[in-house]
Amino acid sequence: AQSVTQLDSHVSVSEGTPVLLRCNYSSSYSPSLFWYVQHPNKGLQLLLKYTSAATLVKGINGFEAEFKKSETSFHLTKPSAHMSDAAEYFCVVRGGNNNDMRFGAGTRLTVKP
Amino acid sequence: GAVVSQHPSRVICKSGTSVKIECRSLDFQATTMFWYRQFPKQSLMLMATSNEGSKATYEQGVEKDKFLINHASLTLSTLTVTSAHPEDSSFYICSARDPGGLEQYFGPGTRLTVT
Repeated sequence: AQSVTQLDSHVSVSEGTPVLLRCNYSSSYSPSLFWYVQHPNKGLQLLLKYTSAATLVKGINGFEAEFKKSETSFHLTKPSAHMSDAAEYFCVVRGGNNNDMRFGAGTRLTVKP
Repeated sequence: GAVVSQHPSRVICKSGTSVKIECRSLDFQATTMFWYRQFPKQSLMLMATSNEGSKATYEQGVEKDKFLINHASLTLSTLTVTSAHPEDSSFYICSARDPGGLEQYFGPGTRLTVT
């Protein structure tokens, strides 16, 4: 069975500093991996996805993530945080017999002025 | 891009009543749809997988008699919460898989409050 572990439940950064949200995955299959963002009381927005092509994936709003098979990681980064980046971020793995999507526990990003 | 809608976006119902939530794929046909539940400040948990024309597959711990899923057409799946209780209050999110099976699109969610 596939799963993801988000290593930090809460990350706090200052505006203009780098963002790192960590995610490790476990999968018996070659996984597809995703990062979604959810603003308060809103639905999900896809930031980026990895589907076995380039290991460095660029997404929207300046986010990117690197798939590292040797480390079973798919960490999300952004060079410079904006206030509008404050939200909940979910790492998601897709795979398995049903090819369904399984969510990590989420990381709440706080951006301080 | 593909769009998935949910109706209603918010619903308040009294304890003991039933409520139906609709999930529609607006511009593509979805043979498979998924229902997730998200409690406050928690992650999304897969409740069930819905395949058009067949019975839904429920995740362990999800009561199939309480959460009735119907996927009668290629663009519509419904989730009915029967005999709702306050502990069923949650954010319910559906998603639909595209015909190629490579993409999964999420609806905006339905916030259910049971009083």
